[in-house]
Amino acid sequence: SAVISQKPSRDICQRGTSLTIQCQVDSQVTMMFWYRQQPGQSLTLIATANQGSEATYESGFVIDKFPISRPNLTFSTLTVSNMSPEDSSIYLCSVGQTNTEAFFGQGTRLTVV
Amino acid sequence: QQQVKQSPQSLIVQKGGISIINCAYENTAFDYFPWYQQFPGKGPALLIAIRPDVSEKKEGRFTISFNKSAKQFSLHIMDSQPGDSATYFCAASRIRGTSYGKLTFGQGTILTVHP
Repeated sequence: SAVISQKPSRDICQRGTSLTIQCQVDSQVTMMFWYRQQPGQSLTLIATANQGSEATYESGFVIDKFPISRPNLTFSTLTVSNMSPEDSSIYLCSVGQTNTEAFFGQGTRLTVV
Repeated sequence: QQQVKQSPQSLIVQKGGISIINCAYENTAFDYFPWYQQFPGKGPALLIAIRPDVSEKKEGRFTISFNKSAKQFSLHIMDSQPGDSATYFCAASRIRGTSYGKLTFGQGTILTVHP
């Protein structure tokens, strides 16, 4: 399975600021995804990070709030912009290859105060 | 995203007992059904997965039962151990096309195994 590293592992941020989360994979992967897990809740897909093109966002998530980059097949970033306390969640990077399973990073625990 | 409904929300079993978690899905295009185990402060870890061409898959103490006609699948944990205490998520996705890898998760089940 792929080894996925996320940075930072946790952060406490002031409202109105932005945080960029990094996801690094130890091998080239076809698909990279970003999920959000609100406190005590399930995981919700934010977007698919497409290499070399704009990310594909799910309903309820927009690029201005969650800009995503994917410059190559092993790296992606998610920015949480203009944060409010409602953005306090765990943000998770996931990777998948054709005909194999999807794996998750350890997550970034974000608290907005 | 189509819903995946998971039950129960929480489950308490005694050591050595059987833990059973159920999920139901709506989208008949789903063709990949994984289960994830999540410990506090950790990301979800893939536990076991099944595709709809089989009705059951077993790996050690973990078994998935799949009922395609009822659009239901379940996780059975045999001989449950205190170390199995975690949150379990079922999920569903498509393994082909543009939706590949996009998981729709159930609501999660908090399993507590008492010694």
